[in-house]
Amino acid sequence: GAVVSQHPSWVICKSGTSVKIECRSLDFQATTMFWYRQFPKQSLMLMATSNEGSKATYEQGVEKDKFLINHASLTLSTLTVTSAHPEDSSFYICSARDRMGETNEKLFFGSGTQLSVL
Amino acid sequence: SQQGEEDPQALSIQEGENATMNCSYKTSINNLQWYRQNSGRGLVHLILIRSNEREKHSGRLRVTLDTSKKSSSLLITASRAADTASYFCNYGGSQGNLIFGKGTKLSVKP
Repeated sequence: GAVVSQHPSWVICKSGTSVKIECRSLDFQATTMFWYRQFPKQSLMLMATSNEGSKATYEQGVEKDKFLINHASLTLSTLTVTSAHPEDSSFYICSARDRMGETNEKLFFGSGTQLSVL
Repeated sequence: SQQGEEDPQALSIQEGENATMNCSYKTSINNLQWYRQNSGRGLVHLILIRSNEREKHSGRLRVTLDTSKKSSSLLITASRAADTASYFCNYGGSQGNLIFGKGTKLSVKP
């Protein structure tokens, strides 16, 4: 099956610094990738839809200047949490569709990134 | 909101028993999907059922879909401790991006 690689798995940073999270589709091309945020014991909250070669589409209430998304190629999307604060501490997960797959409705997920801001 | 809602929120069973989780949704769908999430990990796709299908099987998984009631159920037969995870339903929206419900946390005790 298709594989999505997400790095880093966990990161601890000081308040005010920026953190970049990478999401790569290893064996397929993904024109669309999705970024989610998940708090402990809660569901995934869709933050934004990342489209290759164009601007990301952010969900209501998500600050686009705070969470910068870049989807420069068909296999890589990055999420940068700028000027991170403790309230940004969360589990971030990316997913992607295989546009050439048998069914392009199925999502393939990265393993997630646990961000802790001190 | 296109959010699917799972029921129950938590389920605890013994190994070997069957586990049934239900999902209700609010709008029309093209398909409905079930995912599993182990603690602290990403989601894994389990099964997809299309709106013109009523039942689908995959190994120990059985999914049903009732579009008239806008509901789906996921049955895991002969559960194992390794099935312990959170299970989420979701369905495809018009824009193709998926939103997940709160999930059912399944605990299978050996």
